[in-house]
Amino acid sequence: DGGITQSPKYLFRKEGQNVTLSCEQNLNHDAMYWYRQDPGQGLRLIYYSQIVNDFQKGDIAEGYSVSREKKESFPLTVTSAQKNPTAFYLCASSQVVVYNSPLHFGNGTRLTVT
Amino acid sequence: SQQGEEDPQALSIQEGENATMNCSYKTSINNLQWYRQNSGRGLVHLILIRSNEREKHSGRLRVTLDTSKKSSSLLITASRAADTASYFCAPANAGGTSYGKLTFGQGTILTVHP
Repeated sequence: DGGITQSPKYLFRKEGQNVTLSCEQNLNHDAMYWYRQDPGQGLRLIYYSQIVNDFQKGDIAEGYSVSREKKESFPLTVTSAQKNPTAFYLCASSQVVVYNSPLHFGNGTRLTVT
Repeated sequence: SQQGEEDPQALSIQEGENATMNCSYKTSINNLQWYRQNSGRGLVHLILIRSNEREKHSGRLRVTLDTSKKSSSLLITASRAADTASYFCAPANAGGTSYGKLTFGQGTILTVHP
């Protein structure tokens, strides 16, 4: 089945450590996105990528970094510079050739930093 | 990208009743999308309505769009306990890039009691 896989589902880290969240898709989508969701709030866009080897900052990129070396993969690193990293992180993808096409989401990674 | 504002924030109904959620936005759109999120999971795309459409149906879902009022509504008929979830609208801006850099509000939390 085609879809987006995020791993792990739960992640625990100590403050001051960098952590990388995995996102893999087999939908052959060009565009990929990372969102952050805090309890009772909407989704905020962290980074997005339209094509391999290119990515853009979203609304809350500070303290995060990404790479897009392969079409299928868009890992997100939460660095120690991120002030409040504990959150639910969602990865998504979409087609580029279809204007404003719907997003396909993974099932998220819940990161807890103590 | 602009954010939709969903209303009400929470809705509680009995199984079999209809549920109506509303969405308002601020600037011209190409289309408007509705998504559902079950607790602890990713978002799932439900339906997309284009700016030149006034109503669209998909199974028990009915979406309306009034571009003059910059608003949309999602109606779920004959609701079931399995419809319990958060519902988000995402207005996709007219113009700009072709890929779906969407922004999501806080959503409407729907609870359907058996």
